[in-house]
Amino acid sequence: EAGVAQSPRYKIIEKRQSVAFWCNPISGHATLYWYQQILGQGPKLLIQFQNNGVVDDSQLPKDRFSAERLKGVDSTLKIQPAKLEDSAVYLCASRNPGISGNTIYFGEGSWLTVV
Amino acid sequence: QKEVEQDPGPLSVPEGAIVSLNCTYSNSAFQYFMWYRQYSRKGPELLMYTYSSGNKEDGRFTAQVDKSSKYISLFIRDSQPSDSATYLCAMTGGNQFYFGTGTSLTVIP
Repeated sequence: EAGVAQSPRYKIIEKRQSVAFWCNPISGHATLYWYQQILGQGPKLLIQFQNNGVVDDSQLPKDRFSAERLKGVDSTLKIQPAKLEDSAVYLCASRNPGISGNTIYFGEGSWLTVV
Repeated sequence: QKEVEQDPGPLSVPEGAIVSLNCTYSNSAFQYFMWYRQYSRKGPELLMYTYSSGNKEDGRFTAQVDKSSKYISLFIRDSQPSDSATYLCAMTGGNQFYFGTGTSLTVIP
């Protein structure tokens, strides 16, 4: 079974530029998460989707971050304009309680450096 | 008070040692507990998954949950250099997931 796919793996941009990350969850997983993980910290939830609907985006900085999951499968996370403090790894994760129980599976992450 | 507390380490042990990693939590609604292993420049990989209190063993790894004390542990027996990574605990009551900050482990050959 293929895992959670993410791209690009690494990105370096200048502050005020924009960047987009893509995620394809495990097949059949209806719930998709985007997390931000800063070095030395645990993952912080940015947004949670159930199929193509948003369940929780309370910690998403909506003035600069946006995310969509239009067809209920893959998802895109965008940052515009980027700030230095956005340097982090952006982790996509997916879950289907009927298949994977109450646990989530992560992708390899997209590593962002803002200079 | 944070939902989940985890000692960040770093922890350095000789090869073959028994390693104990721990997390405490404050929310008694948590029922499902996970340990993830995260290698440098990689995403977290699910290592152990337990429900409610008790022990679960998988090879050299044992996960322990004590709900009365709100305390979970991961034990690694006969530690290997390949176990060098950051270990994240995570837990949920069924919807939102809460993570520790991770413990960095180095196993010295």
